[in-house]
Amino acid sequence: GENVEQHPSTLSVQEGDSAVIKCTYSDSASNYFPWYKQELGKRPQLIIDIRSNVGEKKDQRIAVTLNKTAKHFSLHITETQPEDSAVYFCAASIFVGGADGLTFGKGTHLIIQP
Amino acid sequence: ETGVTQTPRHLVMGMTNKKSLKCEQHLGHNAMYWYKQSAKKPLELMFVYNFKEQTENNSVPSRFSPECPNSSHLFLHLHTLQPEDSALYLCASSQEAGAYEQYFGPGTRLTVT
Repeated sequence: GENVEQHPSTLSVQEGDSAVIKCTYSDSASNYFPWYKQELGKRPQLIIDIRSNVGEKKDQRIAVTLNKTAKHFSLHITETQPEDSAVYFCAASIFVGGADGLTFGKGTHLIIQP
Repeated sequence: ETGVTQTPRHLVMGMTNKKSLKCEQHLGHNAMYWYKQSAKKPLELMFVYNFKEQTENNSVPSRFSPECPNSSHLFLHLHTLQPEDSALYLCASSQEAGAYEQYFGPGTRLTVT
């Protein structure tokens, strides 16, 4: 089965700086890679996703990059703000013909220092 | 109520009790999931149902028994649990299983005494 590794487990950055969270996956058949944000006491919510037919996707201050050869993908948050403080989870799944759930990484606790 | 709902929100049960968790989605989705979230293993997939058929059982102990009577409802029946089963149990749904956005419920905080 799929295995997703996520680093770092905790990331502290100054407000306004950029944050980068990295994930690797094991199953070369995986081709869908979402990122979820979970604020304290709340449910996880999708913030951005990428499919393997593209190498990068951006949505305002958030971007995700994918390197299929190396089997790793990253989340980039620019101009961080206090409301970006949360736990971020990466995940991997098979898009075509996949009937399984997502395999999640262990999460990164992002702390934005004022 | 819209989205994904779960009841109860909190549950305390003894090791010999039998209880059930309920999940309902109002999004017209065809896939539903159970996840266990604990400090040691965040967001651990337990079960996947796609069009009411179970497509994945992620090596979950038999003391957890899922039931999916229709595409809108998902249950998790619990019996003879262990203290290490204490965790947040999250339900999610998506258009179909696989590469679709999953919408999570608020979770049931389970404590096994």
